[in-house]
Amino acid sequence: AQSVTQLGSHVSVSEGALVLLRCNYSSSVPPYLFWYVQYPNQGLQLLLKYTSAATLVKGINGFEAEFKKSETSFHLTKPSAHMSDAAEYFCAVILPNTGNQFYFGTGTSLTVIP
Amino acid sequence: KAGVTQTPRYLIKTRGQQVTLSCSPISGHRSVSWYQQTPGQGLQFLFEYFSETQRNKGNFPGRFSGRQFSNSRSEMNVSTLELGDSALYLCASSLVPGSNTGELFFGEGSRLTVL
Repeated sequence: AQSVTQLGSHVSVSEGALVLLRCNYSSSVPPYLFWYVQYPNQGLQLLLKYTSAATLVKGINGFEAEFKKSETSFHLTKPSAHMSDAAEYFCAVILPNTGNQFYFGTGTSLTVIP
Repeated sequence: KAGVTQTPRYLIKTRGQQVTLSCSPISGHRSVSWYQQTPGQGLQFLFEYFSETQRNKGNFPGRFSGRQFSNSRSEMNVSTLELGDSALYLCASSLVPGSNTGELFFGEGSRLTVL
């Protein structure tokens, strides 16, 4: 079975500081990888995705993530945090051609301190 | 283009009752998935429907069931509610299952509270 581990259920950063949210996966084959964001009382919105093309993926709102096969990681970064980035972030994986059964991490709540 | 619509957004039930939640996918999307979100467990996959057929099912008891209609709208039902069923139930749609992108479009969820 697939698993996704998000290190740190809560992360706090100062406004303007680097955002780093960690995600590691366990898979015998390279999966497709996703980061979703959830704002309060809303559903999940796709930030970015890796589907075996470029290993550095750029998403919306200035976020990016790098797929590192040797480390089985897909960490999410943003150079400068903004107050509006405060939300819950979920890493997710799916094996290619296995339908839409996503495996989600338990989420990381990002707080941005003014 | 309208997004994924879930109804009702909030509901309160008591133990032993049953509940039906509805999901209308994005127009043209034929695959609908359901997830249960709780603070302790995160998002747990319930099931996925495509062309009115259940394709995948997560590790939930038989009290959790679903169906999909010919217009791709989906419903999920939970019978004999338990306190632990209190959660945000999220519906997600995609064009087709097994696509290379696998991108899901989520609704805002139905928040169920069981008293």
